[in-house]
Amino acid sequence: QMQLVQSGAEVKKTGSSVKVSCKASGYTFTYRYLHWVRQAPGQALEWMGWITPFNGNTNYAQKFQDRVTITRDRSMSTAYMELSSLRSEDTAMYYCAAYNSKTGTFDYWGQGTLVTVSS
Amino acid sequence: SYELTQPPSVSVSPGQTARITCSGDALPKQYAYWYQQKPGQAPVLVIYKDSERPSGIPERFSGSSSGTTVTLTISGVQAEDEADYYCQSADSSGTYAWVFGGGTKLTVL
Repeated sequence: QMQLVQSGAEVKKTGSSVKVSCKASGYTFTYRYLHWVRQAPGQALEWMGWITPFNGNTNYAQKFQDRVTITRDRSMSTAYMELSSLRSEDTAMYYCAAYNSKTGTFDYWGQGTLVTVSS
Repeated sequence: SYELTQPPSVSVSPGQTARITCSGDALPKQYAYWYQQKPGQAPVLVIYKDSERPSGIPERFSGSSSGTTVTLTISGVQAEDEADYYCQSADSSGTYAWVFGGGTKLTVL
């Protein structure tokens, strides 16, 4: 069955970077856009951006434009989200989610990766 | 930037009908989607394209749209429906950006 499995929790220092992975299985990796969404503790979901696994095209939310980079490795069926210049407000659960053209949105989500940023 | 507005909380008794609204200027031109999120879990899609229900989602969940407001209706609310609900849509300005509403906490009294 279709699955998105993310890398484990991270603890980072303020000003550093974090790279979270999302390994896809159970479907053809290049067929579905992959999105990244984060959720700070007790806060709402926040969309960060997407990547087209087929050709690597990306689109980022304006808020993260200068700090986020989403990439993929087709041979590994894995997408990556790197966030730089980390600050305490970036402490959040980070999710990858696969887009379904039938529903028009994300219908499969990874289990989430908790990123904690402290000084 | 584009925003979707939801009420912070809605409370209903078991068996009653819960209605959660979501407002946004682009909603007449863009579909809306609804997610249910329980504590410690990833979101689950409950309504897509304003009013379609994914397989496996109970019939008591329905969606509707009118102008700049979309509504998630849960008929015959059950205790297990207590969760946070988020609407989602896309910016219509051509940026291909997605946005979530601020979320609504549904409490089953």
